[in-house]
Amino acid sequence: DTGVSQDPRHKITKRGQNVTFRCDPISEHNRLYWYRQTLGQGPEFLTYFQNEAQLEKSRLLSDRFSAERPKGSFSTLEIQRTEQGDSAMYLCASSFRAGKEYEQYFGPGTRLTVT
Amino acid sequence: SQKIEQNSEALNIQEGKTATLTCNYTNYSPAYLQWYRQDPGRGPVFLLLIRENEKEKRKERLKVTFDTTLKQSLFHITASQPADSATYLCALRILSSGSARQLTFGSGTQLTVLP
Repeated sequence: DTGVSQDPRHKITKRGQNVTFRCDPISEHNRLYWYRQTLGQGPEFLTYFQNEAQLEKSRLLSDRFSAERPKGSFSTLEIQRTEQGDSAMYLCASSFRAGKEYEQYFGPGTRLTVT
Repeated sequence: SQKIEQNSEALNIQEGKTATLTCNYTNYSPAYLQWYRQDPGRGPVFLLLIRENEKEKRKERLKVTFDTTLKQSLFHITASQPADSATYLCALRILSSGSARQLTFGSGTQLTVLP
């Protein structure tokens, strides 16, 4: 499977715990995006990487959230001191400059439940 | 404030008919608009992109129109099939200063095609 993969697919955690999600983009894609989606809503942009550089962060991304893409390949999204309001689907997407850069390919998402 | 609105109600249509979904936006000047399909528990899948200087785009049974004066896009599925049942999301990309790569999504319209 050469699509975007995310791990884990589901995560249940207690309030106050830290969680980390991983995203593996399509191998030749140099752009990577994180979104958050709650039930009945469209995805909300969180952050964007071009190669290893984090170029944009949404105002939605509080200080408890941090994302990395250390070698310009996979990315991690960490949420510290989780709150119930963090419960959502976290989606990763990737795209490739030139040609079809505007098409974003989404992974299956990680569903986070904070109890 | 900036807003994207899609059909507020779920849309049910009979197989074989044409489904028409609406995406209206306010206070944006998008460089382009995209439509995605999302099935339950999965990430969105890119369908079509239309640029601000294009009026219409087609792909197989899909057609998208873009009216920047009305600030509206219409998404049509002709000869609809039960397999077309899904949530359809419109997304805008707004070019602003800096590297604005984020997409801003509407909340989606749930389409059900009845056999």
